Amino acid sequence: DSGVTQTPKHLITATGQRVTLRCSPRSGDLSVYWYQQSLDQGLQFLIQYYNGEERAKGNILERFSAQQFPDLHSELNLSSLELGDSALYFCASSVAGAGTGELFFGEGSRLTVL
Amino acid sequence: DAKTTQPPSMDCAEGRAANLPCNHSTISGNEYVYWYRQIHSQGPQYIIHGLKNNETNEMASLIITEDRKSSTLILPHATLRDTAVYYCIVRYHMNYGGSQGNLIFGKGTKLSVKP
Repeated sequence: DSGVTQTPKHLITATGQRVTLRCSPRSGDLSVYWYQQSLDQGLQFLIQYYNGEERAKGNILERFSAQQFPDLHSELNLSSLELGDSALYFCASSVAGAGTGELFFGEGSRLTVL
Repeated sequence: DAKTTQPPSMDCAEGRAANLPCNHSTISGNEYVYWYRQIHSQGPQYIIHGLKNNETNEMASLIITEDRKSSTLILPHATLRDTAVYYCIVRYHMNYGGSQGNLIFGKGTKLSVKP
């Protein structure tokens, strides 16, 4: 158990819909990272937040947005969903800016868009 | 982050040492080598990291060549539960500019441990 909690574990929805994925980082961790893993793309970095502020942005679509709240949990919002958005979405956390390089990953949220 | 090159797949007999190579010929002096693994569809798991000295922990050993252009992750006694995709990643240890700690994953090496 990494200490990172992601909900929901599984989600099935239809194209055009909007979903929110939630992540609770390990206690004391200030940084939260979101990754997307689809069969053909591997693990893709989406976005990072540190203590409520966006710190780095990767291959995140404009239809996707995220935020980190004062209690440090984070949400990833996916809108106007397309079939290609079906993937595993992982959240990870680290103490600060991950100076040690150790990110702790949750078990992921599996999104299926039909 | 510097790019890494890993073989797409490897097999290892249970109980034997698994040696996973990684090439990172463009690594810079400030970049560390990190190893993560992902078992089936679980979240990636940190294994070990190093700069230029060999490192060992309870999971594995990391051997980095003197010129730092390649490294090898060693699982001393592989078990069936070590079957996973292993990722070699190079990145700055501390935060630099806009890159604040995110890891960039490649395709990794799929290690199959066989009985």
